[in-house]
Amino acid sequence: AQSVTQLGSHVSVSEGALVLLRCNYSSSVPPYLFWYVQYPNQGLQLLLKYTSAATLVKGINGFEAEFKKSETSFHLTKPSAHMSDAAEYFCAVSDSGNTPLVFGKGTRLSVIA
Amino acid sequence: EAGVAQSPRYKIIEKRQSVAFWCNPISGHATLYWYQQILGQGPKLLIQFQNNGVVDDSQLPKDRFSAERLKGVDSTLKIQPAKLEDSAVYLCASSHRRGNDGYTFGSGTRLTVV
Repeated sequence: AQSVTQLGSHVSVSEGALVLLRCNYSSSVPPYLFWYVQYPNQGLQLLLKYTSAATLVKGINGFEAEFKKSETSFHLTKPSAHMSDAAEYFCAVSDSGNTPLVFGKGTRLSVIA
Repeated sequence: EAGVAQSPRYKIIEKRQSVAFWCNPISGHATLYWYQQILGQGPKLLIQFQNNGVVDDSQLPKDRFSAERLKGVDSTLKIQPAKLEDSAVYLCASSHRRGNDGYTFGSGTRLTVV
C-alpha cells in the first residue's frame, strides 16, 4: 500500500527566502503524486501534480516539485516566499489513477516579514 | 465551472446525537470521495463512490457512519451516534472517472461533538 511522509510539521521562512517542503512516498508501482494547499477554514486546492510525464513539475503561485525516483521523493519548492504562501501543505500519492489519494500529515508553512 | 458544494459549513452536536452532511460534486464527475480531517492531521479517506456504487469503504466505521450517493450525483454522509472523537472536518471531493488529474475539494463541514 502506498504512503507519504512529510518531514517537518512546521516550517518557517523569511519573506523572499527559499521555500522547501519535503515529501517522501512509498508505492509498489509508479506513483501519481500531488501537492495540495489548504488555507484556514477552506478545502484543499491542487498546487501541482506528477503523472509520469516530466519529472520537474510546475504548479500555480510559482511552486514547483521534482520527482526523484531514486530517492522516492517529491519535494515542493518556491524560490521566493510571499506572505500569502502561509498555509498548510499536503503531499498525496496514488498508485494509479483509480485508487484514492493517500495524504501525508501536512506541513504548516509560516512566512515571517 | 461551479465547485464542489458542501453543507452545512459548521455543526455542533452533543455526543450520541446524529448528524448528516451533504455534498454536491462538480457536474460530470463520476467519482466522489468523503475524507475525514482531524485537527493537525492529513485527510483520511472514509468512502469512495463511482457513480452510485461504493468502490472503497474499508476505512468507514460502519457501526456508526453511513453514506449514500443516490442517482450518482449528490451524496450524504451520516453519523449516528456521534462520539467525541468524530470531531473533525469532513471534506467531500470529486474527480473524473480516473483521478489522475487530481481531485476538486469542497470547503468542508467542521463538526464539533461536545
